[in-house]
Amino acid sequence: DQQVKQNSPSLSVQEGRISILNCDYTNSMFDYFLWYKKYPAEGPTFLISISSIKDKNEDGRFTVFLNKSAKHLSLHIVPSQPGDSAVYFCAAYNQAGTALIFGKGTTLSVSS
Amino acid sequence: DAMVIQNPRYQVTQFGKPVTLSCSQTLNHNVMYWYQQKSSQAPKLLFHYYDKDFNNEADTPDNFQSRRPNTSFCFLDIRSPGLGDAAMYLCATRPDSSYEQYFGPGTRLTVT
Repeated sequence: DQQVKQNSPSLSVQEGRISILNCDYTNSMFDYFLWYKKYPAEGPTFLISISSIKDKNEDGRFTVFLNKSAKHLSLHIVPSQPGDSAVYFCAAYNQAGTALIFGKGTTLSVSS
Repeated sequence: DAMVIQNPRYQVTQFGKPVTLSCSQTLNHNVMYWYQQKSSQAPKLLFHYYDKDFNNEADTPDNFQSRRPNTSFCFLDIRSPGLGDAAMYLCATRPDSSYEQYFGPGTRLTVT
């Protein structure tokens, strides 16, 4: 059973528009969440994170929102650029804080 | 540049023939992880080291072993690879002071 779910396998957006990637989790004890970006033939690279004591974290064009009551987080990319085309993974630390639990990823395609 | 290096990038082995994948880091991080990622699946943690302390995930098969001879190097040994072990194997590191994990580019293992 998946504890971190990314229900949209893919998302297509036009350059300049907003990209919204969604993630749901099942374990209310998760308290730290990260987003990773992965290009083909490369390892995942860290993008942005959020602690459960916050509901928003912003870094340039990237903002992560956390809704604890709904066990939902989202990544907003504004404005989207063609170079943002990649697979985006949502991940949460387990209760012990020792292991990252990943979602299956969402493939974002930004067209110019 | 400080980084996480995985060798080889592509490995082909025969069914049942032992294989070793290697990971090295120049980041001097004390935590190292091995993940297995099958096609279109989420990366799944196999085990991790906190310094020399080895931590095995409960569902990691006995066929998978690991060694960490020093801070910089970590090895994944697959004693008798089966066809189901074909996957991307990702190594990651993390400093004690942060939640962010730094990933290598991965080794794609093919079992024939």
